[in-house]
Amino acid sequence: KQEVTQIPAALSVPEGENLVLNCSFTDSAIYNLQWFRQDPGKGLTSLLLIQSSQREQTSGRLNASLDKSSGRSTLYIAASQPGDSATYLCAGGGATNKLIFGTGTLLAVQP
Amino acid sequence: EPEVTQTPSHQVTQMGQEVILRCVPISNHLYFYWYRQILGQKVEFLVSFYNNEISEKSEIFDDQFSVERPDGSNFTLKIRSTKLEDSAMYFCASRGTLSGNTIYFGEGSWLTVV
Repeated sequence: KQEVTQIPAALSVPEGENLVLNCSFTDSAIYNLQWFRQDPGKGLTSLLLIQSSQREQTSGRLNASLDKSSGRSTLYIAASQPGDSATYLCAGGGATNKLIFGTGTLLAVQP
Repeated sequence: EPEVTQTPSHQVTQMGQEVILRCVPISNHLYFYWYRQILGQKVEFLVSFYNNEISEKSEIFDDQFSVERPDGSNFTLKIRSTKLEDSAMYFCASRGTLSGNTIYFGEGSWLTVV
């Protein structure tokens, strides 16, 4: 049974800093790994999707990597901005594309 | 950009009442999902729907829950007799084969059972 864990649970950084959010999963038979952003009381915004055959994906200041053998994914945010403050969720997708979510990392970027 | 839309955004209901949450998935998407998030907890999978039938459901999705695609655009989640523990944010999501495996989520429907 797939379990997804995210570390740290919360992170506070000054504006402009580069940061890394971590996600680990127990079942390496993962089809894809998707990163989401969630603002308070809002829905889930898809940030990046990494297929199992890929090692990383990039979108603007965001870079996500996937290492199936170690059961890990990271989300790298470059030059953080106060507008990046949100909860970041990773989710592993299996054969049926059902997503198993982590508990999220609450990010606060201080101006 | 196409998006998944959900109504209502917030609903308060009495325990034991029936609730229907509505979703309009992205046009041309073929796979539909409901997830829920109890306050302070993980987002949890409820059910997936493809080709007019349930393709997978979780242990949470018991006989009190049902889904329906009544026409070509709507996708609904019905809770027959709500319980206090059904209070949560319910997310609808959809995926289209042409978009790869990216799943797109709606803004959610807050359900409060009192």
